[in-house]
Amino acid sequence: DGGITQSPKYLFRKEGQNVTLSCEQNLNHDAMYWYRQDPGQGLRLIYYSQIVNDFQKGDIAEGYSVSREKKESFPLTVTSAQKNPTAFYLCASSMKPGARYNEQFFGPGTRLTVL
Amino acid sequence: ELKVEQNPLFLSMQEGKNYTIYCNYSTTSDRLYWYRQDPGKSLESLFVLLSNGAVKQEGRLMASLDTKARLSTLHITAAVHDLSATYFCAVDQETSGSRLTFGEGTQLTVNP
Repeated sequence: DGGITQSPKYLFRKEGQNVTLSCEQNLNHDAMYWYRQDPGQGLRLIYYSQIVNDFQKGDIAEGYSVSREKKESFPLTVTSAQKNPTAFYLCASSMKPGARYNEQFFGPGTRLTVL
Repeated sequence: ELKVEQNPLFLSMQEGKNYTIYCNYSTTSDRLYWYRQDPGKSLESLFVLLSNGAVKQEGRLMASLDTKARLSTLHITAAVHDLSATYFCAVDQETSGSRLTFGEGTQLTVNP
């Protein structure tokens, strides 16, 4: 089955800790994205990557970091510099930058709570 | 900067009624997407609209795109409780690379 997986489903973080959220896709998509969603809100783009070993900041990148060493994987680290990280984190992927269309497919999400 | 606005943001309707959700955007684009999100869940793709005048239908939902007016509509026909969810539109601007800009979402509640 092709799709996007995220782990863990739930994550609890203590103050001052860094945590890493996993995102893997087997759709052979070139582009991957991380979004943050707060309760009752829309999606805000954290980082995105159009190709391996390259990524760009989105609208709310401060306190987050990413890597893209493999096409299939785009992990997100929430650092201690992110002061209010409690949120629902969604990973998405799309076929290819510059393609006729850019439909994004979403993983199931990780719910992060700061204790 | 591309802005995407949806209205209404909250919609409560009775089963069997019709209603329309509007998605306005601020700059030129001919690529627009609709997504559905159930409470606590991820986003599911509903429609991909790729040209002026595009119309797509699935069950009780119909989406259309007017690129001249920079407007997309999501029409609900004879609503049923299972359609209760939050609906997002997202606009793809070619000059933005592979980014989508999402609207704030419309939270739809269908009451028996």
